[in-house]
Amino acid sequence: GAVVSQHPSWVICKSGTSVKIECRSLDFQATTMFWYRQFPKQSLMLMATSNEGSKATYEQGVEKDKFLINHASLTLSTLTVTSAHPEDSSFYICSASGDSGTQETQYFGPGTRLLVL
Amino acid sequence: QKEVEQDPGPLSVPEGAIVSLNCTYSNSAFQYFMWYRQYSRKGPELLMYTYSSGNKEDGRFTAQVDKSSKYISLFIRDSQPSDSATYLCAMSALGDYKLSFGAGTTVTVRA
Repeated sequence: GAVVSQHPSWVICKSGTSVKIECRSLDFQATTMFWYRQFPKQSLMLMATSNEGSKATYEQGVEKDKFLINHASLTLSTLTVTSAHPEDSSFYICSASGDSGTQETQYFGPGTRLLVL
Repeated sequence: QKEVEQDPGPLSVPEGAIVSLNCTYSNSAFQYFMWYRQYSRKGPELLMYTYSSGNKEDGRFTAQVDKSSKYISLFIRDSQPSDSATYLCAMSALGDYKLSFGAGTTVTVRA
């Protein structure tokens, strides 16, 4: 149980284009979803927290107009990187917590590797 | 000083050895303690979850929490090459859904 999927697993795009990443909880309802960014050999950096049906809460230093987050249902959240630039290249990972286990436990997706040329 | 301290290693052990990992923390409000395993280019996988102090065992894995010392440990018995990964400790306070992560310890189990 507690499976989280992400799509796509990797994406290459040209500078200036927008990229959408989907995060789905497959076997539980995710009341809260999180988006992280991870640089090589570093730990996870929380970008934003979203609750179903409400606006995301962004961490300090994360541009909300650049990283658009939508949590439209209890099983789906999307992250859109708008007007992507090479410095946005990174490993993006979502996680979800909800009615599987406890609210304090997060289950992670497999991650999406973004490369902006 | 970071809220959660974890030795990044790397740690290299022979197959069959006991792997010992630990984290220290400064926030006494932390009540929930987790260990995640992350393989290269993959998302973290929840290994162990413990509430408050005490021990928890699951197969070859044992998690220990000592809140009085603000110290948590993960032990892997009879380590296998497939255990080679980065291990992240994480913790949160009651009612706070955000996790505070350690830096992660990279473990290599040599066949």
